[in-house]
Amino acid sequence: RKEVEQDPGPFNVPEGATVAFNCTYSNSASQSFFWYRQDCRKEPKLLMSVYSSGNEDGRFTAQLNRASQYISLLIRDSKLSDSATYLCVVTADRGSTLGRLYFGRGTQLTVWP
Amino acid sequence: AAGVIQSPRHLIKEKRETATLKCYPIPRHDTVYWYQQGPGQDPQFLISFYEKMQSDKGSIPDRFSAQQFSDYHSELNMSSLELGDSALYFCASSRTVSTQPSYNEQFFGPGTRLTVL
Repeated sequence: RKEVEQDPGPFNVPEGATVAFNCTYSNSASQSFFWYRQDCRKEPKLLMSVYSSGNEDGRFTAQLNRASQYISLLIRDSKLSDSATYLCVVTADRGSTLGRLYFGRGTQLTVWP
Repeated sequence: AAGVIQSPRHLIKEKRETATLKCYPIPRHDTVYWYQQGPGQDPQFLISFYEKMQSDKGSIPDRFSAQQFSDYHSELNMSSLELGDSALYFCASSRTVSTQPSYNEQFFGPGTRLTVL
């Protein structure tokens, strides 16, 4: 079983729509949580770190539920430039594997005009 | 702001040849990670270095080796290349390895696309 599970989509939404992505992780002791975006054939780019209290960055809101081992990303007022694959990422808890990133398979988003 | 630099960006090799990939981390980042991303796959962790010492090892074949040098750049050496090694190879760097989430934020280079014929 993968460390991180995501709905692969695809999600196809019109400009201006609100879209939400979810993922679950299997290691209850995971420490750090992130959302990355990846455009086709390019490197993953850090979108947001996800903190226990939840955090917001402009049109993007991330939530973490440690009890349910669940992470979400909400995108409001979608733009054409938001079209990408969104990767849910967690790190190991401690010890020698601290820092290693575990990726979900990604959720593909297409925003159409 | 300076980003992670990787070279070469593209590499074409024949089976059984060797390849060396280079990575230059963001200045003042002391931890380097290598990931492999096959077609349609998510990135898989290979190996990492902290302060020039190997800190963690993932699903890296024995045919591959890596090191981090005194200037913190890292090289991934791949020998006896196989067709299945064709992939995107990403290097990422972070400030350090820590239980503090912000320190574990990893920034990726543009990748090296390796094609083995």
